[in-house]
Amino acid sequence: GEEVAQTPKHLVRGEGQKAKLYCAPIKGHSYVFWYQQVLKNEFKFLISFQNENVFDETGMPKERFSAKCLPNSPCSLEIQATKLEDSAVYFCASSPGTDGSPLHFGNGTRLTVT
Amino acid sequence: DQQVKQNSPSLSVQEGRISILNCDYTNSMFDYFLWYKKYPAEGPTFLISISSIKDKNEDGRFTVFLNKSAKHLSLHIVPSQPGDSAVYFCAASLRGNKLVFGAGTILRVKS
Repeated sequence: GEEVAQTPKHLVRGEGQKAKLYCAPIKGHSYVFWYQQVLKNEFKFLISFQNENVFDETGMPKERFSAKCLPNSPCSLEIQATKLEDSAVYFCASSPGTDGSPLHFGNGTRLTVT
Repeated sequence: DQQVKQNSPSLSVQEGRISILNCDYTNSMFDYFLWYKKYPAEGPTFLISISSIKDKNEDGRFTVFLNKSAKHLSLHIVPSQPGDSAVYFCAASLRGNKLVFGAGTILRVKS
């Protein structure tokens, strides 16, 4: 598609439950990025993929967070045993390369942990 | 360690006048700088970028200036329009990889 599609738009989970977010990048884009935005503050980089391979995971919390980009499937970001501080908007972005091409963002998934 | 800083949380400008949004950075290895606009409940939308080897890039009403010696860039919007009211994020990339974002500046264009 021509847009980065993120689902669901909103997700509510009780503390300790699992949350799974999905992202379909723009067709033809090889790179996928996940960012976390807490309370309308700065975007925190989590992880990036080049096709199905992890490209940079320096922002991923060591525990509870995992992500995948499998062929012919939307990319996913999974949070095991959610905590209150995981409440945020999670944005996915894609780009065709790493030559300065801009990232194209989806509209985000708002995760609320209660 | 905040590598990209937008020191003005908000800016108010009259319609038709120039809006100037500023951004400072600390890492001299950044190779691209980008500006994004964000409306509520939407993702950031790319506006304009500049390579670290340039000092100016222009696209319609939007011009980005880069001063490498001062580690400073600015976005000029002229003339400003009410539809430009949004949050503007400055971002920088290292070797074309992930973007490092500033905290954003809320621009209000008054008609």
